[in-house]
Amino acid sequence: SQQGEEDPQALSIQEGENATMNCSYKTSINNLQWYRQNSGRGLVHLILIRSNEREKHSGRLRVTLDTSKKSSSLLITASRAADTASYFCATTRSNDYKLSFGAGTTVTVRA
Amino acid sequence: EAQVTQNPRYLITVTGKKLTVTCSQNMNHEYMSWYRQDPGLGLRQIYYSMNVEVTDKGDVPEGYKVSRKEKRNFPLILESPSPNQTSLYFCASSINRGKTGELFFGEGSRLTVL
Repeated sequence: SQQGEEDPQALSIQEGENATMNCSYKTSINNLQWYRQNSGRGLVHLILIRSNEREKHSGRLRVTLDTSKKSSSLLITASRAADTASYFCATTRSNDYKLSFGAGTTVTVRA
Repeated sequence: EAQVTQNPRYLITVTGKKLTVTCSQNMNHEYMSWYRQDPGLGLRQIYYSMNVEVTDKGDVPEGYKVSRKEKRNFPLILESPSPNQTSLYFCASSINRGKTGELFFGEGSRLTVL
């Protein structure tokens, strides 16, 4: 069963704008990760945030984690055409370290 | 270059014809896993392996087999493929399961079962 659920399912933005997507999950987690998938390709790890962290940055990416709400957000600032991809959150459950993926958010960046 | 290699990348087969999708990683990772990706369902885990000779079922193991005789290889076997196994398959590996987290994925194997 899916632990993480992304929202929105799809997002279309203009180049240069920011893109925000959210992930909600159900059970206690050890960490939460975000992955990117370009069309027809394998997933690429973007960033990992641990359960005791609230915010993390990597380049143009900013991830927040609110364990009280069981939710996370991924912000991509100053988007580029190359950011067009699907983005997945993946949660690692605390009790058994099971890793589960959500269904993803498809982001389209228009030139 | 650190990588996970899957073969074949594309395959069209017929119902009942046994096939194997190979997966190899060169990072000395203990943990390996197979996923299938279907539209609207995200990635669902088929089988995983914590180490050599240690395998376990994921969320959707029916119709699949795996083996882990060597650390680097983790083949996925479809003994008698059916059309509902038409999907995009990914192999992934990690240093260990969950604790450091990052999974490295192969490029995927698109399987069509007629």
